[in-house]
Amino acid sequence: GENVEQHPSTLSVQEGDSAVIKCTYSDSASNYFPWYKQELGKRPQLIIDIRSNVGEKKDQRIAVTLNKTAKHFSLHITETQPEDSAVYFCAAPGTYKYIFGTGTRLKVLA
Amino acid sequence: EPEVTQTPSHQVTQMGQEVILRCVPISNHLYFYWYRQILGQKVEFLVSFYNNEISEKSEIFDDQFSVERPDGSNFTLKIRSTKLEDSAMYFCASSFSGRGTDTQYFGPGTRLTVL
Repeated sequence: GENVEQHPSTLSVQEGDSAVIKCTYSDSASNYFPWYKQELGKRPQLIIDIRSNVGEKKDQRIAVTLNKTAKHFSLHITETQPEDSAVYFCAAPGTYKYIFGTGTRLKVLA
Repeated sequence: EPEVTQTPSHQVTQMGQEVILRCVPISNHLYFYWYRQILGQKVEFLVSFYNNEISEKSEIFDDQFSVERPDGSNFTLKIRSTKLEDSAMYFCASSFSGRGTDTQYFGPGTRLTVL
């Protein structure tokens, strides 16, 4: 069935270091992969997305890579800052929905 | 920038009562969704809606749940007889196209507390 696995569940990094979060999906027909950032008590906010016709996309300190063969995609945050602390969710598309990963709580230590 | 809005921000109700959660999707979007998030857990899909019909629903979305677009702007989720386990944050989302290939924009959520 449709499933998205996300690792790690928690991640602590020193300010300025990089953070990497990985997701794997099961539906080989999936072709759009968004990443959301959710601060405590707030809505999920789209931070970056990638379509299956590209392997990597960058937006300043954030990048996403996609390996369609292996069915996994990763979020990379460089030069982390305290305001990057949040829960990050990956998602993969179902027929008329998103299937979300279980989330990664990122803590950036000052 | 247009945003999805939701009301109320917080709803407290007694078990067995009916609640209606309201959403105003982004105006040119055609697909509407409800998700829920139990505290500290992942976001779970409930239902998607297009052209005044349910496109897909999850196993969570049982007979106690219903959705409606009563007018040109609102999109509602009704829970007929609330249970304790319905306590969660409920997010509405909308997108221009469906089939999970377009960005879904989320509202700020309604925190439902069932006592």
